[in-house]
Amino acid sequence: AQSVAQPEDQVNVAEGNPLTVKCTYSVSGNPYLFWYVQYPNRGLQFLLKYITGDNLVKGSYGFEAEFNKSQTSFHLKKPSALVSDSALYFCAVRKAAGNKLTFGGGTRVLVKP
Amino acid sequence: EAGVAQSPRYKIIEKRQSVAFWCNPISGHATLYWYQQILGQGPKLLIQFQNNGVVDDSQLPKDRFSAERLKGVDSTLKIQPAKLEDSAVYLCASSSTKQGYEQYFGPGTRLTVT
Repeated sequence: AQSVAQPEDQVNVAEGNPLTVKCTYSVSGNPYLFWYVQYPNRGLQFLLKYITGDNLVKGSYGFEAEFNKSQTSFHLKKPSALVSDSALYFCAVRKAAGNKLTFGGGTRVLVKP
Repeated sequence: EAGVAQSPRYKIIEKRQSVAFWCNPISGHATLYWYQQILGQGPKLLIQFQNNGVVDDSQLPKDRFSAERLKGVDSTLKIQPAKLEDSAVYLCASSSTKQGYEQYFGPGTRLTVT
C-alpha cells in the first residue's frame, strides 16, 4: 500500500521569509511525487512533480521541491513567501507503473504580511 | 484550453435522497477520476476510468455509489440513498499520458447531506 504523511496541519510564516511544507511517503518501487495547491472553493492546482532525474524540481509560482530517496521525503519550498501563497497544500504519490494517486492530509499555509 | 468542468457547484439534500454530479474532462483526456474530499482530509479516489472502462473502483461504496462514462467523455457520479457521512466535496480530474502524468482537477461539487 502507498501512503503520504504531511506532519504539519498548519504552517505560519511571515511574508518574505522562506516557506517549507513537509511531506514523507511510502510506496513500493520508484515513486512519482506531486504537489498540488487548493485555494478556497477551488479545485486542486498542479504545482510540480518528480518523476526521475534531478532531485530538485522547480514548479509554478516560484515553488520548488527536493526529492530525498533515503529519507523518503519530498518537501515543498519557496525562498520568499507571499501573502497570496496562503492556501492548502497537498502532497501526493503514485507508483511509477501504476495509476492510483494517494494524497496526504494537507497542510494549511498562512503567510502573514 | 478549457479546464475540467463540473456541475452543480453546490448541492444540499436530505439523507436518503439521491443526487447526481456531472463532469466534463479536458478534451482528449482518456483518463477520468472521481475523488471524495471530506473536510480536513486529502482527496480519496473513488473511481478511475480509462476511456469508458473502469480501471479502479476499489474504494467506491458500491451499495450506494455508482458512476458511468458511457461515451468515454463525460461522466456522472450518483449517490442513492445519501447518508450524512457523504457530505464532502466531490472532485473530478482528468489526465493524459501525453501531458506527463499530472491530473487536472475541476472546481468540485460541495455536497451537504442534512
